[in-house]
Amino acid sequence: QKEVEQDPGPLSVPEGAIVSLNCTYSNSAFQYFMWYRQYSRKGPELLMYTYSSGNKEDGRFTAQVDKSSKYISLFIRDSQPSDSATYLCAMSEPGTASKLTFGTGTRLQVTL
Amino acid sequence: NAGVMQNPRHLVRRRGQEARLRCSPMKGHSHVYWYRQLPEEGLKFMVYLQKENIIDESGMPKERFSAEFPKEGPSILRIQQVVRGDSAAYFCASSPGRDNTGELFFGEGSRLTVL
Repeated sequence: QKEVEQDPGPLSVPEGAIVSLNCTYSNSAFQYFMWYRQYSRKGPELLMYTYSSGNKEDGRFTAQVDKSSKYISLFIRDSQPSDSATYLCAMSEPGTASKLTFGTGTRLQVTL
Repeated sequence: NAGVMQNPRHLVRRRGQEARLRCSPMKGHSHVYWYRQLPEEGLKFMVYLQKENIIDESGMPKERFSAEFPKEGPSILRIQQVVRGDSAAYFCASSPGRDNTGELFFGEGSRLTVL
């Protein structure tokens, strides 16, 4: 079993839809949770960063962490074609100095 | 461009040759990380370096791979005697300091193809 599980997709939605992306994990020591966006042939860029459980909102993006269920989510409201990319969840333990464990990524396609 | 700079962007090597990948961190960042992304797989941590020090190399293959971050110049990931299984995208990331807990800034990657 992988330490972090993420549905690879692809996920295709129409413009304006609400998108829900999810990851589950098995390591209860993870405390820091991130979502990265990766466009084709580019490097990942940090979208959202959350410490421990709770919600965090930034514009059209909301990140949720449920540590009791070992489940994290990223919601994208009013999705745009420019949101078409691969979304990677990542997490790390305290004191491991950014040694991130990534999911395999979910490929999202937002159509006109 | 003040971002993480990686070169070359694309590298083709024949089996048995050496590959050298270079990374210059963002301005003001003193911590460098190397990750590898194999096709259809997520990014895998390889090594974490500060200037002149390897802090964590737990993700590095035991043989043929080495990394350095000298006092002057970029960080270098070196792969000796490459094999086809080394074909992947190699990403460098940087952060400003040790207290950072995941907010990494990635370069655009170096794509290695081994023939």
